[in-house]
Amino acid sequence: EVQLVESGGGLVQPGRSLRLSCAASGFTFDDYAMHWVRQAPGKGLEWVSGISWNSGSIGYADSVKGRFTISRDNAKNSLYLQMNSLRAEDTALYYCAKDIWSPLHNILSYFDYWGQGTLVTVSS
Amino acid sequence: DIQMTQSPSSLSASVGDRVTITCRASQSISSYLNWYQQKPGKAPKLLIYAASSLQSGVPSRFSGSGSGTDFTLTISSLQPEDFATYYCQQSYSTLRSTFGGGTKVEIK
Repeated sequence: EVQLVESGGGLVQPGRSLRLSCAASGFTFDDYAMHWVRQAPGKGLEWVSGISWNSGSIGYADSVKGRFTISRDNAKNSLYLQMNSLRAEDTALYYCAKDIWSPLHNILSYFDYWGQGTLVTVSS
Repeated sequence: DIQMTQSPSSLSASVGDRVTITCRASQSISSYLNWYQQKPGKAPKLLIYAASSLQSGVPSRFSGSGSGTDFTLTISSLQPEDFATYYCQQSYSTLRSTFGGGTKVEIK
């Protein structure tokens, strides 16, 4: 059974940093791209960042570029999001999502499994 | 970035109704379009991928169509468990993905 478990969220002051983690199990982690998607309270989904299976390709939404850094440790089956210079508008539930995009399936991309999210609140 | 525009933003419908939600991309994305369902307090769930392919385990009353810039999600006969918010997502740019604003389907 595929499981994605996010952690690291919490209350943080504007301008400070936070590091989110996503522990993956139930699939061959280093075969698949992974993403972070966030949802502000009462709002829609916003794609934040994605990383290919070997960390060779990375992308960010314009809203977080230069402040957030995605990374993965395939030996630990873990995905990370380092968030610096946090702003009030970064307040959201942050989901980790597994992509079907892989070396053997490198045409399509869609998110077939999601975690339950970790809440980040940026406030003084 | 590719912008995704969904319409309507919300709708009211009755059990048994046929429901159609549209999604428009700001540029052609071929068939790289996915649909998700989200219920309150829950993570999104994949319904349709590649514009028209039904994800395993998803009821056949859900269907998707379209290519290029215009796409449609159809629920042929709305069931009580289908009241939720639906999102489209473009995966034409895999590492620059974007979601539509969502369509909330409510009970009439």
